[in-house]
Amino acid sequence: AQRVTQPEKLLSVFKGAPVELKCNYSYSGSPELFWYVQYSRQRLQLLLRHISRESIKGFTADLNKGETSFHLKKPFAQEEDSAMYYCALRPVGGNKLVFGAGTILRVKS
Amino acid sequence: KAGVTQTPRYLIKTRGQQVTLSCSPISGHRSVSWYQQTPGQGLQFLFEYFSETQRNKGNFPGRFSGRQFSNSRSEMNVSTLELGDSALYLCASSWETGTGHTVTEAFFGQGTRLTVV
Repeated sequence: AQRVTQPEKLLSVFKGAPVELKCNYSYSGSPELFWYVQYSRQRLQLLLRHISRESIKGFTADLNKGETSFHLKKPFAQEEDSAMYYCALRPVGGNKLVFGAGTILRVKS
Repeated sequence: KAGVTQTPRYLIKTRGQQVTLSCSPISGHRSVSWYQQTPGQGLQFLFEYFSETQRNKGNFPGRFSGRQFSNSRSEMNVSTLELGDSALYLCASSWETGTGHTVTEAFFGQGTRLTVV
């Protein structure tokens, strides 16, 4: 089965607080994992890709194959981080993406 | 470089009608995928095309179909529209090598908002 679980529909934090958006996946092989972000009235865009191991806008995500997790973290949240975040996996072979339900991140001032 | 372009941006159709949505991928991208986004079901994969061939298909009824042209542009068609087909339909393109090893992430269009009344 190919499944991505994001347990939180909404995560509300204060500006400057740490953020962790959870993502767990189910896949029998070795998928590629992504975090996509959708800001208000903008198109869905890539935030992070696990194979690149970059930090984008202060966000990082580490793939934990033992726990089948790919949590997104940022040490200090900013108001401009408020958006919908989707975790997604791409199975081997092709370009199909399996998305989680998404988590709305709301950063309060 | 122009992004993924979807037309039209908005559509209102009546139950029972059919609709065709269009997607122009980023130049050089031969892989095109389609997704349905609804508040209740989230983002669900419809189908994926590479070099005019359907490579993957999601769990949607046969009323949903698609195709890809030699210039990589893609269309999806929904026949006998139902109220539940109201959604944002997203198209995404990726650059891929000829061996099938995908090397870029998916770039998304702004979507076509379909409303069925």
